[in-house]
Amino acid sequence: KQEVTQIPAALSVPEGENLVLNCSFTDSAIYNLQWFRQDPGKGLTSLLLIQSSQREQTSGRLNASLDKSSGRSTLYIAASQPGDSATYLCAVRSGTYKYIFGTGTRLKVLA
Amino acid sequence: GAGVSQSPSNKVTEKGKDVELRCDPISGHTALYWYRQRLGQGLEFLIYFQGNSAPDKSGLPSDRFSAERTGESVSTLTIQRTQQEDSAVYLCASSPGSGRVQETQYFGPGTRLLVL
Repeated sequence: KQEVTQIPAALSVPEGENLVLNCSFTDSAIYNLQWFRQDPGKGLTSLLLIQSSQREQTSGRLNASLDKSSGRSTLYIAASQPGDSATYLCAVRSGTYKYIFGTGTRLKVLA
Repeated sequence: GAGVSQSPSNKVTEKGKDVELRCDPISGHTALYWYRQRLGQGLEFLIYFQGNSAPDKSGLPSDRFSAERTGESVSTLTIQRTQQEDSAVYLCASSPGSGRVQETQYFGPGTRLLVL
């Protein structure tokens, strides 16, 4: 049974810092891995999607890596800003349609 | 174009009452998901619809929960005889349903349910 874990559960950093969020999963047989952002009272917004054959994806200040063999992914945020404050969720797509989500990392970037 | 919409945005109900939550997916999306998110928790899969295929109901926590979808459009999630542990945010998502590896889900804003 696929399980997804995210560390840390919460993180508070000063503006401008580079930071890394971690996601680990137990079954390496995945279709893809996604990082989502969730703002209070809102749904999830997809940030980056890494296919199982890929090692990383980049979008602006965000970079996500995937190491399938070790069951790990990291989301790197460069030069963090207060607007980055949100909960970040990783999700593994196991099978043709099922997604398993982690419990998220609550990030607060202090001005 | 319009995204995924859900209604109501908030619902307060008394224990034992039935509630109905609605999801309008993105037009043309054949796949639709319902998730439950309890406070401080990740998303818990409830049910999946794909076109006219039989839905995957494996995530529904009890027989008090049911969901329907009319064709490839609106879906309703019904919770009968609500209990306090049903309090959560219920999220709906849709996707094109192509099954391609790079396909992503698009989420609605959720319905926050509070059972007193």
